[in-house]
Amino acid sequence: GIQVEQSPPDLILQEGANSTLRCNFSDSVNNLQWFHQNPWGQLINLFYIPSGTKQNGRLSATTVATERYSLLYISSSQTTDSGVYFCAVERPDYKLSFGAGTTVTVRA
Amino acid sequence: GAGVSQSPSNKVTEKGKDVELRCDPISGHTALYWYRQSLGQGLEFLIYFQGNSAPDKSGLPSDRFSAERTGGSVSTLTIQRTQQEDSAVYLCASSVVQETQYFGPGTRLLVL
Repeated sequence: GIQVEQSPPDLILQEGANSTLRCNFSDSVNNLQWFHQNPWGQLINLFYIPSGTKQNGRLSATTVATERYSLLYISSSQTTDSGVYFCAVERPDYKLSFGAGTTVTVRA
Repeated sequence: GAGVSQSPSNKVTEKGKDVELRCDPISGHTALYWYRQSLGQGLEFLIYFQGNSAPDKSGLPSDRFSAERTGGSVSTLTIQRTQQEDSAVYLCASSVVQETQYFGPGTRLLVL
């Protein structure tokens, strides 16, 4: 099956700092999604990004499908950005394979 | 409602009992998925429904797990003779095929 690797596994930030999260995947995929899992466990959609770059407020994402990686940028981090960020790739059979996540802690 | 809903939010059961978990997808979404999130196992696919096609059950961990989707809408995941290793958060998602999958809040299952 497709392997999805996220790095770093843990990230501690001071409020206001910028950061980059990375997702590598082992095979061609239909598309890629980034999620934020909040402290209550809800998976919040951040980006649906099979290729290219998208921005949403302080967050942006870039996927380079030919090189099998995606990056999630968090700028001017806030304490509400804390949580686990998951990358998930959609396999040709339409199921999502998830990475292990990056746990982000933003300190005031 | 605007999003995917799941019930119950939490379920505590005794080992050996059967449980049913419910998912109401977003109206108009033809695809429905069940995933499981366990400590140390991450998020794993369980089963996939698309329209009236036969479901893809390739992710179900054992024959104690089954799911159905009635009328192309509501889905029920049933776990028979629950075991302690079934304790996890069960997440449902729906989508238009090859579009964003939207997740419900999950059902937290604890088997004592």
